[in-house]
Amino acid sequence: TQLLEQSPQFLSIQEGENLTVYCNSSSVFSSLQWYRQEPGEGPVLLVTVVTGGEVKKLKRLTFQFGDARKDSSLHITAAQPGDTGLYLCAGDVGNTDKLIFGTGTRLQVFP
Amino acid sequence: NAGVMQNPRHLVRRRGQEARLRCSPMKGHSHVYWYRQLPEEGLKFMVYLQKENIIDESGMPKERFSAEFPKEGPSILRIQQVVRGDSAAYFCASSPRSSPPLHFGNGTRLTVT
Repeated sequence: TQLLEQSPQFLSIQEGENLTVYCNSSSVFSSLQWYRQEPGEGPVLLVTVVTGGEVKKLKRLTFQFGDARKDSSLHITAAQPGDTGLYLCAGDVGNTDKLIFGTGTRLQVFP
Repeated sequence: NAGVMQNPRHLVRRRGQEARLRCSPMKGHSHVYWYRQLPEEGLKFMVYLQKENIIDESGMPKERFSAEFPKEGPSILRIQQVVRGDSAAYFCASSPRSSPPLHFGNGTRLTVT
C-alpha cells in the first residue's frame, strides 16, 4: 500500500512568515499533484509536477519534486490569511488508475 | 463551463436507510472517481469508473456500497443500510482521461443519525 506522509500536520503562523510543507513516500510516482481545500469545498488543483527535480512557481508558492520522484515540498513565501486551508499532495503511481492522497497539512495564517 | 456537480450537498439519513449520491462530471470527461473524506483527514480512494464500466473498486467496502456510471446520466454512489460510520464527506472527481489531474466537485456531506 502506497502511503504519502505530509508534515507538519498542522501549522499556525503569522501573516508574512515563510513556511514549507513536506510530502514523503517510499513509492516512486509518475506525477505528483498539490491541491488546496477550503472548508465545505472540494480540493482545487494547484500544480502538477512530473520530472524528478522539477521546480514550479505559482506566485508566492514554490513546488519541488524530489530527484527520485518519491517526495515533494511546497514552500510559501510571505504567507497571507488567504493561504489558509488544507494542503494535500497526491501521487499517481502510474501503473494504477487512481490518485493516492497524502495525510494533509492544515495551514492557518493569522493577520 | 460547469465544473463537477454533486448533489445533494448535504444528506441526512437514519441508520438502515439508503443514501444515493450523484455526480455529474465536467463536460467531455468520461472518467469518474469517488473519494471519501473523514473530518481532519485526507481523501481515501473508493472507486474509479468509466462510462458503463467499473475499472477499479479496490477502495470500496465489499458490502452495502455500490457505484455506477451509466451511458446517460450522472454517476451514482449508493450506500445501503447506512451506519453511523458512513458519515463523511464524499467527493467525486472527473478527468478526460485515465490519469490525473482530477477536477473535484464540492462533495456531499452524509450524516447518519
